[in-house]
Amino acid sequence: DAKTTQPPSMDCAEGRAANLPCNHSTISGNEYVYWYRQIHSQGPQYIIHGLKNNETNEMASLIITEDRKSSTLILPHATLRDTAVYYCIVRVEWDDKIIFGKGTRLHILP
Amino acid sequence: GAVVSQHPSRVICKSGTSVKIECRSLDFQATTMFWYRQFPKKSLMLMATSNEGSKATYEQGVEKDKFLINHASLTLSTLTVTSAHPEDSSFYICSAKNNEQFFGPGTRLTVL
Repeated sequence: DAKTTQPPSMDCAEGRAANLPCNHSTISGNEYVYWYRQIHSQGPQYIIHGLKNNETNEMASLIITEDRKSSTLILPHATLRDTAVYYCIVRVEWDDKIIFGKGTRLHILP
Repeated sequence: GAVVSQHPSRVICKSGTSVKIECRSLDFQATTMFWYRQFPKKSLMLMATSNEGSKATYEQGVEKDKFLINHASLTLSTLTVTSAHPEDSSFYICSAKNNEQFFGPGTRLTVL
C-alpha cells in the first residue's frame, strides 16, 4: 500500500508556481521522499528526492517539514508541459520496489 | 538520465494470441527490471520484479503462467502475455535499475 496521501487534482495558472502537497505521516527514519511525474501515455519521470533537507534541481524544489510528516513539491514557473500526474513516494533510497499511489493530477491553465 | 526503451510501443492482437513486449536498457546494465501495468485513469501497479538469470518474483494476484517474464541478459527483459483476452488490454511499463531506476515509455496493448 502507498504510504502517502495526495490531493487527487490541482489547477495552476501558467507561469505561476505550482505547489503540490504530500502527507507521509508514517515515514520511517531511513525512508526518503521521492517525486515522479507521468505525462499522459508516457512512462514515469524522476523529478527529485530528499531525506530531510530541502532539495532543489533544474526541475523543481522539494520542501520537507521538520518532522518529515509532509512535503511540498514546487515547480517554480509552471508551463503547459508540466501537465501530468505527480506521484509522491516514500522509500529507502533507490530501494528496489517503487509502489505508486494515486498521485495528483496537475492541470496547468493557459 | 539513462535510457530505457520498450518495443513495440503499441500492439493490437486478437483474443487468444500471445504478445511479447521487450524492455531494454540502452546505455547501462540493469541488475533488476520491473514490470508495471496501468489501466486508464489508474495508477501504475507493480506486476513483477526480475533479476538477470533468475526467476521473476510476482506480486500477489499476478498470474505467473499468464505473464511470462524472461530476463536473459543485463540489458533485456521480456514480458509475454499468453492467451491474451480483452481484459488484458492495458498500458505496460517497464523500469530498469542499476543504482537508480529508470522507466521505459510504455507499451499499449489492445486485445480485440
